[in-house]
Amino acid sequence: NAGVTQTPKFQVLKTGQSMTLQCAQDMNHEYMSWYRQDPGMGLRLIHYSVGAGITDQGEVPNGYNVSRSTTEDFPLRLLSAAPSQTSVYFCASSLDSNQPQHFGDGTRLSIL
Amino acid sequence: AQSVTQLGSHVSVSEGALVLLRCNYSSSVPPYLFWYVQYPNQGLQLLLKYTTGATLVKGINGFEAEFKKSETSFHLTKPSAHMSDAAEYFCAVRPGGTSYGKLTFGQGTILTVHP
Repeated sequence: NAGVTQTPKFQVLKTGQSMTLQCAQDMNHEYMSWYRQDPGMGLRLIHYSVGAGITDQGEVPNGYNVSRSTTEDFPLRLLSAAPSQTSVYFCASSLDSNQPQHFGDGTRLSIL
Repeated sequence: AQSVTQLGSHVSVSEGALVLLRCNYSSSVPPYLFWYVQYPNQGLQLLLKYTTGATLVKGINGFEAEFKKSETSFHLTKPSAHMSDAAEYFCAVRPGGTSYGKLTFGQGTILTVHP
């Protein structure tokens, strides 16, 4: 049982480059979310999805896009990377609204 | 609107001592409350959760937390710390009874355990 899989684990980008962070889950979970983790700020919600074809913004959506074409996958796109987007990104999923979220191991992203 | 405040960004205890990590929340509706633990270079793992019912909830690794509505608190405790408990701990809240509520995290508390 793989759970929530994030790729890549590490990435370095130059300012202005674009990139897609991948997230896949094999638990048939409807709800998926993307968070960024910065020191002293906990985790902040970027975007989330309540099912295939449905996405919505979280607390800090600017500079990021998402799509949910399948139940399994929820990619996060950085359109034009900025140094302020240097962070650790976590994807999470849950079966339904009353279940806690399962987290991936994170993607550590540095923007130079 | 909802928010979470974790009192103390760093807590240090001796092995065998009581662990107390503080969490206060605000929520306009009855909350669901969670504690997660994060070990270095890993994702978050659920320790325990409160949704409804008994206000004292027990989790994994000997941790427990008590929901106190009057104090808007959900403090995490463990009677005797172990070296393996050293990690960062996050309290989180989401609206209860909704179809999908956004999870709001506290800032995190780093627990250090000394021999």
